[in-house]
Amino acid sequence: GAVVSQHPSRVICKSGTSVKIECRSLDFQATTMFWYRQFPKQSLMLMATSNEGSKATYEQGVEKDKFLINHASLTLSTLTVTSAHPEDSSFYICSAIPPRGSYNSPLHFGNGTRLTVT
Amino acid sequence: GENVEQHPSTLSVQEGDSAVIKCTYSDSASNYFPWYKQELGKRPQLIIDIRSNVGEKKDQRIAVTLNKTAKHFSLHITETQPEDSAVYFCAASINQFYFGTGTSLTVIP
Repeated sequence: GAVVSQHPSRVICKSGTSVKIECRSLDFQATTMFWYRQFPKQSLMLMATSNEGSKATYEQGVEKDKFLINHASLTLSTLTVTSAHPEDSSFYICSAIPPRGSYNSPLHFGNGTRLTVT
Repeated sequence: GENVEQHPSTLSVQEGDSAVIKCTYSDSASNYFPWYKQELGKRPQLIIDIRSNVGEKKDQRIAVTLNKTAKHFSLHITETQPEDSAVYFCAASINQFYFGTGTSLTVIP
């Protein structure tokens, strides 16, 4: 149980275009999802916390107008990288806490999206 | 906020030997400490976790110890195998998850 699916797994786009990444909880409802960015050989950097039905909470230094997060349902959160540039190339991973979980319960991660901006 | 430090950043061991990865945290209110294994290009996967009311937890070849007074916790892998090679992340959680910087473990056959 507690499966998180992320799509697409890889995307290559041209500079200036927008890319949408989907994160779905397949067998549970997630009121809270998290979006991370990971550079090669580095740790997971929390970008934002996505709450169903309300605005996402962004971490300091993350541009909310560039990284649009929508959590319109209890099973889907989306991250849209707007006007992508090569420096946005990275590995993006979402995660969710299963129902009746809390911050002392395991995070379940999506399979990640490798974004390459040319 | 919480600050999690993880050491070493890289670790190489011979197959069959033990591997130990250590993490420290700064916020004494943190109460949940998971460890994740991440293979290249894949999602982090939970391998073991411990809560603040427990000092040690073991699952076959993997164990975690927690010292709340010193604010540090460690991952122990015994009888290492080549498939244990991966990047390992510790995390401390209070009102969000704070990740360590990762340890790249290589098990040499």
